[in-house]
Amino acid sequence: QSVLTQPPSVSGAPGQTVTISCIGSSSNIGAGYDVHWYQQVPGTAPKLLIYGNNNRPSGVPGRFSGSKSGTSSSLAIIGLQVKDEADYYCQSYDSSLSDYVFGTGTKVTVL
Amino acid sequence: QVQLVESGGGVVQPGRSLRLSCAASGFTFSSNGMHWVRQAPGKGLEWVAVISYDGSNKYYGESMKGRFTISRDNSKNTLYLQMNSLRAEDTAVYFCVKDHYHGPGNYFDYWGQGSLVTVSS
Repeated sequence: QSVLTQPPSVSGAPGQTVTISCIGSSSNIGAGYDVHWYQQVPGTAPKLLIYGNNNRPSGVPGRFSGSKSGTSSSLAIIGLQVKDEADYYCQSYDSSLSDYVFGTGTKVTVL
Repeated sequence: QVQLVESGGGVVQPGRSLRLSCAASGFTFSSNGMHWVRQAPGKGLEWVAVISYDGSNKYYGESMKGRFTISRDNSKNTLYLQMNSLRAEDTAVYFCVKDHYHGPGNYFDYWGQGSLVTVSS
């Protein structure tokens, strides 16, 4: 099972802001490892959305922002759009497991 | 542009073997670590294995140790995953993924489209 916990689902109306949490522990996020976020539209491959806690790759809109504090991280989608409907995963590294680890995933629904 | 194209997936009986391949282009393959990540139907992402740029270092997820082998041929720009003693729970889409070095924890910057492996009798 995943060592990074996310809410199964979040939803919001177009234009609203939604936030997805990613809760880890002292062997991963809390140990100083950065958090990265991926977006996966159903039926397609994941795509890098945020790297190094709060950096956006070229081409990712500024509506997406990340943060990290202590043993957790958050992804915020500001000004939600219909095309943001997808699954979102956080990712880090765990020193106890010596594994790259993913969050449980969160489905974002635009109402 | 970076392209990662997996092949070799299919239906295989429990206990048998299968080898996946991933053809890479659009970047200097021999300078980058590479991963396999899998996703069971309707489930989340699970990291499978990583190999260093020159193939000298390999690491595996716990449930894959001793059964899966990651390898690469830099002369052919190709990544491989040899899967032995396959189980029903190995049924998943397997993604070939490019590693991006990042001091406080590497990340996955490019993903292939995935190759479906179904383990069933």
